[in-house]
Amino acid sequence: QKEVEQNSGPLSVPEGAIASLNCTYSDRVSQSFFWYRQYSGKSPELIMSIYSNGDKEDGRFTAQLNKASQYVSLLIRDSQPSDSATYLCAVNQGGKLIFGQGTELSVKP
Amino acid sequence: GAGVSQSPSNKVTEKGKDVELRCDPISGHTALYWYRQSLGQGLEFLIYFQGNSAPDKSGLPSDRFSAERTGGSVSTLTIQRTQQEDSAVYLCASRGLPHEGPHNEQFFGPGTRLTVL
Repeated sequence: QKEVEQNSGPLSVPEGAIASLNCTYSDRVSQSFFWYRQYSGKSPELIMSIYSNGDKEDGRFTAQLNKASQYVSLLIRDSQPSDSATYLCAVNQGGKLIFGQGTELSVKP
Repeated sequence: GAGVSQSPSNKVTEKGKDVELRCDPISGHTALYWYRQSLGQGLEFLIYFQGNSAPDKSGLPSDRFSAERTGGSVSTLTIQRTQQEDSAVYLCASRGLPHEGPHNEQFFGPGTRLTVL
């Protein structure tokens, strides 16, 4: 079992819709979780971090964390074509980040 | 500087040659990380420096890989006797002290694309 798992996609949503990206992790002691966005040919860009159970909202982005279920998600409201990218889920493990394989999101105009 | 910088942006080398990749972290950041991203692979942790502590080298794939961080700032990742499977994008990230913000938020540089022929 991989330590951090994501659906590879591609996930295709129409412009204006909600995109839902999911991530599960295996290490129960992990305390901090991150979502990075990576455009093709570019390096990862941090878009959200979450540490407590529940929801955390930042503009059109909402991160959700459920430690009991070992589940992290990212919702993107009012999706735009510029949101088309690969979204990487990362889990802090002993100071280093363990990444999932990423979910490719495509937002169609 | 405003962000993490890395050099060179691209490096093409022949199998068996040694290469050095450089990372300049965000000014004042105490922690520095190296990751590798290969085609079809996820981001893979390589090594982590935190202040004056001994580095966490647990992700280095072989003894051909080494890294150092001089003066608590700039870091160099060295790959000796490069192999074709070393071809990847090598990414550096830095992080500030925990009290300066949410802990372990890491910010990435633009990466060095290494191609071993």
